[in-house]
Amino acid sequence: NAGVTQTPKFQVLKTGQSMTLQCAQDMNHEYMSWYRQDPGMGLRLIHYSVGAGITDQGEVPNGYNVSRSTTEDFPLRLLSAAPSQTSVYFCASSYGTNYNEQFFGPGTRLTVL
Amino acid sequence: GQQVMQIPQYQHVQEGEDFTTYCNSSTTLSNIQWYKQRPGGHPVFLIQLVKSGEVKKQKRLTFQFGEAKKNSSLHITATQTTDVGTYFCAGPLGSSNTGKLIFGQGTTLQVKP
Repeated sequence: NAGVTQTPKFQVLKTGQSMTLQCAQDMNHEYMSWYRQDPGMGLRLIHYSVGAGITDQGEVPNGYNVSRSTTEDFPLRLLSAAPSQTSVYFCASSYGTNYNEQFFGPGTRLTVL
Repeated sequence: GQQVMQIPQYQHVQEGEDFTTYCNSSTTLSNIQWYKQRPGGHPVFLIQLVKSGEVKKQKRLTFQFGEAKKNSSLHITATQTTDVGTYFCAGPLGSSNTGKLIFGQGTTLQVKP
């Protein structure tokens, strides 16, 4: 049972480049989320999904796209990277609702030059 | 908009001293969760509180949920170097049971041996 996995661990992009951060879970969780973590800001929700084919925006969705074609995978796409998107990105999954703990992946550290 | 605030942002203690972090929400929460993130790691779920005035203990950690369900605290008795990390509180984002969480900014604890 690998839990929540994320790739890559580190990434450096130039402004304007696009890329996809991968996230997968093997716990058959319905709910998956993407957060970004910046110093002094805590974790902020970017996008989330309550099941395959269903996604919605979080607190800071601009500049990011998501899709959920399977229960296991929830990729995050940066359409045109900007220095303001330099951050650590965490994917998380849970069984569902507000009453279930979230399991976090190891994170992707992204730098945009 | 909805906010969850944590104080203090940083705390340095001598090993053996006690530590407390406080979490305050701008809205009433149906439940509150606490997570710990070790340096360089990812957030890991510690506990969830649901009832007004609830108190839960995990060894040296004591968690409280306020009577009005708008604040919470985490108290660590006799800190150890293994307690080093950032502690986050989190509550449901919005009023519906969507599984979305809003996190506080976190309190980073440093313990001097």
